[in-house]
Amino acid sequence: NAGVTQTPKFRVLKTGQSMTLLCAQDMNHEYMYWYRQDPGMGLRLIHYSVGEGTTAKGEVPDGYNVSRLKKQNFLLGLESAAPSQTSVYFCASKGVGAITNYGYTFGSGTRLTVV
Amino acid sequence: AQSVTQPDIHITVSEGASLELRCNYSYGATPYLFWYVQSPGQGLQLLLKYFSGDTLVQGIKGFEAEFKRSQSSFNLRKPSVHWSDAAEYFCAVGVGDKLVFGAGTILRVKS
Repeated sequence: NAGVTQTPKFRVLKTGQSMTLLCAQDMNHEYMYWYRQDPGMGLRLIHYSVGEGTTAKGEVPDGYNVSRLKKQNFLLGLESAAPSQTSVYFCASKGVGAITNYGYTFGSGTRLTVV
Repeated sequence: AQSVTQPDIHITVSEGASLELRCNYSYGATPYLFWYVQSPGQGLQLLLKYFSGDTLVQGIKGFEAEFKRSQSSFNLRKPSVHWSDAAEYFCAVGVGDKLVFGAGTILRVKS
């Protein structure tokens, strides 16, 4: 049972390059999220999805795009990377159901450096 | 807007000493509250969560947290800290279908 898998784990980009981060979950969760983590700022929500084919903006969406073409996958794209996007990116997923199942499963993170 | 405040950026405690990490939230309705721990270079692990009922919540690794509505707080405690507890701790509040995180508190344990 893999849970939430993020690929790649590390990446170095040059300013202006593009890339896609992949998040895959095998728990049949409806909700998926992309967060970025920066020192002293905690985790901030970039985009999220409440189901296949849906996406919504979070707290810091600028410079990122997302797609949820399949329920199990949530892609985060950077069209033109900037040094300000150097960060650790975390994907998370959550199922629906009883409120006591309000649990999130996090991936292990992707460390992205933009030079 | 909903927010989570962790007033202490860094805390240093001696091994065997007690620990309290502070968390205050700003949210109008009954909050769903969480504490996560992150070891260096690792992902986030859920320590405990509060939805309703008993305001003292027990978690993994000997941690507990107390929800105090009157103070809008959800402080994390441990009676005796171990060196392996050194990590960064995040408080979070569930807002609709999203989690809003605090900035984190880095715990250093002195031997």
